[in-house]
Amino acid sequence: DQQVKQNSPSLSVQEGRISILNCDYTNSMFDYFLWYKKYPAEGPTFLISISSIKDKNEDGRFTVFLNKSAKHLSLHIVPSQPGDSAVYFCAATPRAGTYKYIFGTGTRLKVLA
Amino acid sequence: DSGVTQTPKHLITATGQRVTLRCSPRSGDLSVYWYQQSLDQGLQFLIQYYNGEERAKGNILERFSAQQFPDLHSELNLSSLELGDSALYFCASSGGTPSSYNEQFFGPGTRLTVL
Repeated sequence: DQQVKQNSPSLSVQEGRISILNCDYTNSMFDYFLWYKKYPAEGPTFLISISSIKDKNEDGRFTVFLNKSAKHLSLHIVPSQPGDSAVYFCAATPRAGTYKYIFGTGTRLKVLA
Repeated sequence: DSGVTQTPKHLITATGQRVTLRCSPRSGDLSVYWYQQSLDQGLQFLIQYYNGEERAKGNILERFSAQQFPDLHSELNLSSLELGDSALYFCASSGGTPSSYNEQFFGPGTRLTVL
């Protein structure tokens, strides 16, 4: 049972445009969500997170939006840069801190120069 | 560099064998997590240790076991290996300082190939 779903395995975007990566979840107990970025031959690196008490969190070019009623979150990257080309994973947990994360299957983003 | 180290980087072995993967968490982090990533799959949570004790368990097979030692490094033991165990195994750590409490820092992974 895939509790966290990333239905788009890949996405191509032109440099300078907006990249929108989507993630859906099924477990209403999730209250903390994160996005990780992964380059080949490296471990995932933390990008941005959001608590369920918020609907938006912004960090530079990266913004995460959370729609609890739709059980949907999205990551916006504006403007997209070629260095953003990577696999992006969303993750969710029912409790922030020392608890397991449930990861989606990832979306491979390619930013075209 | 996340500060989490994993050894070895690559491991090639045969079916039926046993291997041990090692992880050293970031300095000060008390929690260690193990994840498995099979081809084109997301990261599957296996097990978490906090300060030497098992804290949470995921879909970890009975053939797999882990432990966290007093110096906080962790080992993941995989036995009676099968072809399907070929995957990337990631270790992550968290829980060092309040600012990093909610974030897991991942190591570079160990690529296991079972022939």
